[in-house]
Amino acid sequence: DQQVKQNSPSLSVQEGRISILNCDYTNSMFDYFLWYKKYPAEGPTFLISISSIKDKNEDGRFTVFLNKSAKHLSLHIVPSQPGDSAVYFCAASEGDDKIIFGKGTRLHILP
Amino acid sequence: NAGVTQTPKFRVLKTGQSMTLLCAQDMNHEYMYWYRQDPGMGLRLIHYSVGEGTTAKGEVPDGYNVSRLKKQNFLLGLESAAPSQTSVYFCASTIRWGYQETQYFGPGTRLLVL
Repeated sequence: DQQVKQNSPSLSVQEGRISILNCDYTNSMFDYFLWYKKYPAEGPTFLISISSIKDKNEDGRFTVFLNKSAKHLSLHIVPSQPGDSAVYFCAASEGDDKIIFGKGTRLHILP
Repeated sequence: NAGVTQTPKFRVLKTGQSMTLLCAQDMNHEYMYWYRQDPGMGLRLIHYSVGEGTTAKGEVPDGYNVSRLKKQNFLLGLESAAPSQTSVYFCASTIRWGYQETQYFGPGTRLLVL
């Protein structure tokens, strides 16, 4: 049973437009959420995170929104750039416990 | 700071052989993790450690063992490799402070079991 779900395996967005990546979770005890970006043949790199006590966190072009009642979070990238083409993983953790990842969404930025 | 390093980068094993993957971090992080990544499966947690001398099972622990004898090192062992263990293995360490958490990944170890 997947506790963290990324239902879109891939997404294509025009350069300069907004990219929105979505993530749903089932465990209401998750208290921390993270987004990672991964290029082929490299390890994932941390992008941005949000605590469950907040509903928004912004860092440059990246903004993460958390809707606890819907158990949903999203990552917004604006404006999208060619270097943003990668696989994006959503992850969640509960207290001191392990971090659980979604299956990832492949983002293609079109010229 | 080297961050998180993994040794080796690539390895080919025959079924039944054993090997140990080494993960090292120089950031004094308490939490360390081993993941495997397979096509269409995302990152799945194998084992993790919340401190020196402690380990715990993750989502897919079967066929693997781990040890955290020193805070900076987290070893992943395969006692008898199987083709199903062909994968890319990522190690990570995490720092948590207050409501903040950041996880740092190593570059990965590509393992092929024939």
